[in-house]
Amino acid sequence: NAGVTQTPKFRILKIGQSMTLQCAQDMNHNYMYWYRQDPGMGLKLIYYSVGAGITDKGEVPNGYNVSRSTTEDFPLRLELAAPSQTSVYFCASSYLGRRETQYFGPGTRLLVL
Amino acid sequence: AQSVTQPDIHITVSEGASLELRCNYSYGATPYLFWYVQSPGQGLQLLLKYFSGDTLVQGIKGFEAEFKRSQSSFNLRKPSVHWSDAAEYFCAVGTSGYSTLTFGKGTMLLVSP
Repeated sequence: NAGVTQTPKFRILKIGQSMTLQCAQDMNHNYMYWYRQDPGMGLKLIYYSVGAGITDKGEVPNGYNVSRSTTEDFPLRLELAAPSQTSVYFCASSYLGRRETQYFGPGTRLLVL
Repeated sequence: AQSVTQPDIHITVSEGASLELRCNYSYGATPYLFWYVQSPGQGLQLLLKYFSGDTLVQGIKGFEAEFKRSQSSFNLRKPSVHWSDAAEYFCAVGTSGYSTLTFGKGTMLLVSP
């Protein structure tokens, strides 16, 4: 089991560019999540999904989009990158029977200049 | 809405000394409570969790935490800290019936020789 994997590990974007952060899990988890982590601010939930085809907004969804076409994958899309989106992004997943116990990926560090 | 407060941004402990990291939560019903640890450049790893039952829970790496409903607290403890425990620690609360967690802002643990 690879668990939760994220690519890329690090990326520099110019303002206005777009990109997709990839997240995959091989644990057959129903629930998947995207967080951003800013220094001294803890983790903030961006979007989450309770299954293929179902997504919902978290606390800070503006500027992001998600889709969930398969159980395994949950990509996060930035359409028009802004400096405020400089952050570390974590993907997580959890099992239906224990939704509150989340397993985290290693993170993607994004710098928008 | 639920919230989590970790009053200490930084804590320095001598190697071999005991450790207590504080966490207070706000939620109307019985919460699900978690402690995660994040080593530099890594994702979050679950240390322990409380769902119900015994209010003293044991976790990995020799950590334990105690749920005190009267104080709305879930403090993390370790009797003897090792240099490898230096990391950032996050307390989180989840609510029954929901799939999402709310994280505190984290406490950075520094271990001095």
